[in-house]
Amino acid sequence: RKEVEQDPGPFNVPEGATVAFNCTYSNSASQSFFWYRQDCRKEPKLLMSVYSSGNEDGRFTAQLNRASQYISLLIRDSKLSDSATYLCVVNTGSGNTGKLIFGQGTTLQVKP
Amino acid sequence: DAGVTQSPTHLIKTRGQQVTLRCSPKSGHDTVSWYQQALGQGPQFIFQYYEEEERQRGNFPDRFSGHQFPNYSSELNVNALLLGDSALYLCASSPTSASQFFGPGTRLTVL
Repeated sequence: RKEVEQDPGPFNVPEGATVAFNCTYSNSASQSFFWYRQDCRKEPKLLMSVYSSGNEDGRFTAQLNRASQYISLLIRDSKLSDSATYLCVVNTGSGNTGKLIFGQGTTLQVKP
Repeated sequence: DAGVTQSPTHLIKTRGQQVTLRCSPKSGHDTVSWYQQALGQGPQFIFQYYEEEERQRGNFPDRFSGHQFPNYSSELNVNALLLGDSALYLCASSPTSASQFFGPGTRLTVL
């Protein structure tokens, strides 16, 4: 079983749609959680950290459920520029001592 | 302020050769991690350097080795290249927090 599992998609949605991505992780001792965005042939870029209380950044909302070891990302009012691969990421250590464990990524394609 | 930089951008090698990839971390970051990303997969952790020491390592063979210099820059060396080593190699740097910031990567092709 992979340490971080995501549905690879692709998710094809029209502009303006709301789309949700989910991921699960296996290591219950994981310390911190992130969503990264990766454009084609580019490096991953930090989209947002994920907290148990839930956090929002504009059109993006992330949620963590530690009991279920489940992480989600909700994108509202999708834009063409949101088309990318979204990587669910778990850090196994504290502070900067841990290694990042990545899911396979979920591909989003927003259509006009 | 320059972000994480990596060189070279692209590299083509043949099986059995050796390669060295370089990374300069973001200013103020003292920890450098290396990842391998195969096509269609998420990045896989290779190892992490802090204070010029390898602090932890992923499931990669000893053919993969590294080094960190006093200025925090780092090198990744891969010996006896295999076709399966073809991938995007990403360097990430981090300050004291858990977030890591990635460089543009080196795309290695092994023929």
